[in-house]
Amino acid sequence: EADIYQTPRYLVIGTGKKITLECSQTMGHDKMYWYQQDPGMELHLIHYSYGVNSTEKGDLSSESTVSRIRTEHFPLTLESARPSHTSQYLCASSDLRDVLSGQYFGPGTRLTVT
Amino acid sequence: QQPVQSPQAVILREGEDAVINCSSSKALYSVHWYRQKHGEAPVFLMILLKGGEQKGHEKISASFNEKKQQSSLYLTASQLSYSGTYFCGTVGSFTDKLIFGTGTRLQVFP
Repeated sequence: EADIYQTPRYLVIGTGKKITLECSQTMGHDKMYWYQQDPGMELHLIHYSYGVNSTEKGDLSSESTVSRIRTEHFPLTLESARPSHTSQYLCASSDLRDVLSGQYFGPGTRLTVT
Repeated sequence: QQPVQSPQAVILREGEDAVINCSSSKALYSVHWYRQKHGEAPVFLMILLKGGEQKGHEKISASFNEKKQQSSLYLTASQLSYSGTYFCGTVGSFTDKLIFGTGTRLQVFP
């Protein structure tokens, strides 16, 4: 079944630690995205990718980095976590070839930095 | 730059109708609509393109006024399952980034 996965679902980590949030999709979508969302608030685009070896920054400035070595995989890395990084991180994908394609979201990773 | 939604919150009884509006200050290429239930990821509902093309669910309809840069989502004969926060997302004519709106919280009671 075509789907989009994120791991871990919940992460509590201390300040200064390096973390990687994983995102994988089995739909063969070229375009992938990372959003940050605080509880009850709107989604902010932090990174996106058109395909392998393509990464772009979104509208919300973020200290995180992303990579796209394989079509299905789009991990997000924080080199040194801080309490201000506490938030929910949502990964999404869409079909670049279909102008009527919406974005399909993973379940999210809820990150808490202590 | 972020689209503004109105109203911020709506409370309905089952069977009632609601309209959610989304307004942008930029020229738009497309408008997306998503619903997010508490603790879950957003779910794609509908997309409307400049020029009239659209794709979405059978029970949900929407309009897109290209000249006014506005879109409205129409929820008719609401069901309990319609509860959640509705977000519009807009793609400008000169960019391909989807910018999400401020959100509208909808609650449907029996």
